[in-house]
Amino acid sequence: DTGVSQDPRHKITKRGQNVTFRCDPISEHNRLYWYRQTLGQGPEFLTYFQNEAQLEKSRLLSDRFSAERPKGSFSTLEIQRTEQGDSAMYLCASSVWDRVGTQYFGPGTRLLVL
Amino acid sequence: GQQLNQSPQSMFIQEGEDVSMNCTSSSIFNTWLWYKQDPGEGPVLLIALYKAGELTSNGRLTAQFGITRKDSFLNISASIPSDVGIYFCAGQLHQGGKLIFGQGTELSVKP
Repeated sequence: DTGVSQDPRHKITKRGQNVTFRCDPISEHNRLYWYRQTLGQGPEFLTYFQNEAQLEKSRLLSDRFSAERPKGSFSTLEIQRTEQGDSAMYLCASSVWDRVGTQYFGPGTRLLVL
Repeated sequence: GQQLNQSPQSMFIQEGEDVSMNCTSSSIFNTWLWYKQDPGEGPVLLIALYKAGELTSNGRLTAQFGITRKDSFLNISASIPSDVGIYFCAGQLHQGGKLIFGQGTELSVKP
């Protein structure tokens, strides 16, 4: 049994570079969510997909951020022209679209922008 | 936007003691969840609550969904060292929608 997986677990980049993170949800989970968490805070919602359709985006998701889930399975989150303020833990969660829709989280990708 | 107020912010207790933490909101939620997060890891689901007034247990953990749908509490009985971590409440308004998280309660347990 595999849970939600994320890759890479850690990323260090220089300001201005582009980065891409990958999330593989639990098998057959049709909803996939991205959250961002800064030190000492709870996760904040960024966006979510049902299958390949992006259903909601937070205002936190600036134009430099883009997320895709092209085949309704794994998802990628890209940040272009990174800024130091982008340093955070990026968390992915997945759920089944049913009566309860409980979200299960991956281990996260820790991003540090120098 | 919606915000959850979680308290206390941190707790230092002796092993064996009971712990209580709570979460309040200015608006209603239809689902309340409690997660635990260890350093450098993602949140792990502890308890999910789906109905106002619901009281649910998971081992030494007990959580309740407030009648007003604006609050929830989590109790941990007979704490042990592995209970150390950060506990987050999360509310969900729409089924399958985004979660709104509290600021977390950091629990330290002294053996």
